[in-house]
Amino acid sequence: EVQLLESGGGLVQPGGSLRLSCAASGFTFSSYAMSWVRQAPGKGLEWVSAISGSGGSTYYADSVKGRFTISRDNSKNTLYLQMNSLRAEDTAVYYCAKWEITMVRGVINHWFDPWGQGTLVTVSS
Amino acid sequence: QSVLTQPPSVSAAPGQKVTISCSGSSSNIGNNYVSWYQQLPGTAPKLLIYENNKRPSGIPDRFSGSKSGTSATLGITGLQTGDEADYYCGTWDSSLSDAVFGGGTQLTVL
Repeated sequence: EVQLLESGGGLVQPGGSLRLSCAASGFTFSSYAMSWVRQAPGKGLEWVSAISGSGGSTYYADSVKGRFTISRDNSKNTLYLQMNSLRAEDTAVYYCAKWEITMVRGVINHWFDPWGQGTLVTVSS
Repeated sequence: QSVLTQPPSVSAAPGQKVTISCSGSSSNIGNNYVSWYQQLPGTAPKLLIYENNKRPSGIPDRFSGSKSGTSATLGITGLQTGDEADYYCGTWDSSLSDAVFGGGTQLTVL
């Protein structure tokens, strides 16, 4: 069974840093792209970042570009999200998800499955 | 403001059918595949539909997806109280080079 378990969330002051982790099991971790998606309290889903299976390619939403860094350790089956210069608007539950993505003749086919249970990040003084 | 537009809420009686729309543009739904997610209260999202109309194993055939032009639709038949949840559509936006979601639709089974 595929399982994803996030950790590392908590309360941090504006301008502070936090590193999230996502431990994966039940599949060949290095063969799959992974992603982070967040959900602010009472709001919808927002894609944050993604990384290829090898870790050689990374992608970021404009809202976090330059502040967040996604990485992975395939020897530990673990995905990370380093979050710096945190702002109040970064307050959210952060989910990691296995990311299926293909492109055929310019058409993108992607989906997130499964998702972890999420970890709450609160940015407040 | 979400890139994809969904109705904030829909409702129907148990046993009935409901559809949830997701409207986009040529840079997203019009030229890429759509997926749908169910988020039960207090839980993580779960994949319901991928590649516009395919169901992962374990998802009952009461759930269906379709796409036409720049819009997509999720259909749920034989509604159950356990279907009460938030539903999100998602796709890729080729102009933004981002994965994008709809704002979500809250389903109430009266």
